[in-house]
Amino acid sequence: DIQMTQSPSSLSASVGDRVTITCRASQSMSSSLNWYQQKPGKAPNLLIYDASSLQSGVPSRFSGSGSGTNFTLTISSLQPEDFATYYCQESNNTPGTFGQGTKVEIK
Amino acid sequence: EVQLVQSGAEVKKPGESLKISCKGSGYRFSDYWIGWVRQMPGKGLEWMGIIYPGDSDTRYSPSFQGQVTISADKSIKTAYLHWSSLKASDTATYYCARSKGYNNRYFGYWGQGTLVTVSS
Repeated sequence: DIQMTQSPSSLSASVGDRVTITCRASQSMSSSLNWYQQKPGKAPNLLIYDASSLQSGVPSRFSGSGSGTNFTLTISSLQPEDFATYYCQESNNTPGTFGQGTKVEIK
Repeated sequence: EVQLVQSGAEVKKPGESLKISCKGSGYRFSDYWIGWVRQMPGKGLEWMGIIYPGDSDTRYSPSFQGQVTISADKSIKTAYLHWSSLKASDTATYYCARSKGYNNRYFGYWGQGTLVTVSS
């Protein structure tokens, strides 16, 4: 299995801050790296697929990049509705492992 | 509009069996992967397995192989997650999710989740 490790596990930030979350794979992988946002009590929501493609309807302040073993989710200017937990996921193999999550909290 | 509607919350005792469901609508059910994802209380997302309803091709995470059974009935556009003997550690919310496109396995659509509580 490919293991996915996110960092940090949590962070505190202010509205307007630029936020970067990293996802590292245990081995080199294809570009099938995806990012989801989950708010408490809700199902996850796809933000980014194939490392850098923005899902329809997702604000352009979200972006993804990376290749090989290192991938990044960036929120260019944090908004109040962005406080949530973010997960990366590898989807080209079985299992389609999720990272452990990064909780973004209000500073 | 694509929708995945899951069955309601369940309260079971250890050792009992359970099958929860996920009904798809608004798309051709046979043509997209449906996966199941576990979220234990206060914890992260865990990929359990995935099924292609068109030919019932099913893949399991090693962590869940033999612990659950994933199936689908394309005639009624419904996928299932089945336990033959529940344990207290199966207490969690279970989500079904559909692949975004025909030839990928990332999840663009999600059900609302089914809370399963296993307690004596």
